[in-house]
Amino acid sequence: DTEVTQTPKHLVMGMTNKKSLKCEQHMGHRAMYWYKQKAKKPPELMFVYSYEKLSINESVPSRFSPECPNSSLLNLHLHALQPEDSALYLCASSQDGLGTQETQYFGPGTRLLVL
Amino acid sequence: GQNIDQPTEMTATEGAIVQINCTYQTSGFNGLFWYQQHAGEAPTFLSYNVLDGLEEKGRFSSFLSRSKGYSYLLLKELQMKDSASYLCAVRDSNYQLIWGAGTKLIIKP
Repeated sequence: DTEVTQTPKHLVMGMTNKKSLKCEQHMGHRAMYWYKQKAKKPPELMFVYSYEKLSINESVPSRFSPECPNSSLLNLHLHALQPEDSALYLCASSQDGLGTQETQYFGPGTRLLVL
Repeated sequence: GQNIDQPTEMTATEGAIVQINCTYQTSGFNGLFWYQQHAGEAPTFLSYNVLDGLEEKGRFSSFLSRSKGYSYLLLKELQMKDSASYLCAVRDSNYQLIWGAGTKLIIKP
């Protein structure tokens, strides 16, 4: 089973709202990732968690706040977003983020629209 | 700087063969990945190369030359469902994935 699930599939929010994106995997992976992808662009890495600890934060604005409650779950809390934050938000997981041969498996993404 | 180049768009005919090239300059090399992404969907893993040579997986094959900083993805017996973007990504010395901009492949009947 190489499935990563994400909820919700679609989200529309105002600039004053607070919402959360959720990601879950049951492959026993210990590394989880958040990416942001704009149309016709490659994914941009936002955050990496390895063994439930934040290992990479690619200078993401504080209005995005990641959380890893346990090894299977990854959340992204959103607050006071801007319209330019509208994008497809992808979650991925891999074995542990350290091995040279490991592959990242992506969830279906959450399409976010900020009004 | 780190750079991955691949053609923006390619067109091919159903049943034919197409080769999508990728060249890279990165700080270190720990493997090259090809992903397929249909419009509005998540990337799905296609192949991984870390040693020079050809990896074959059904209708898809991927080739790597580390000395030339070059890879290609070969798709045979093209089907309409192969219309998608194909993303080349290189894992650098920090084990981070550096992504190309993707090649949009259009299949015509």
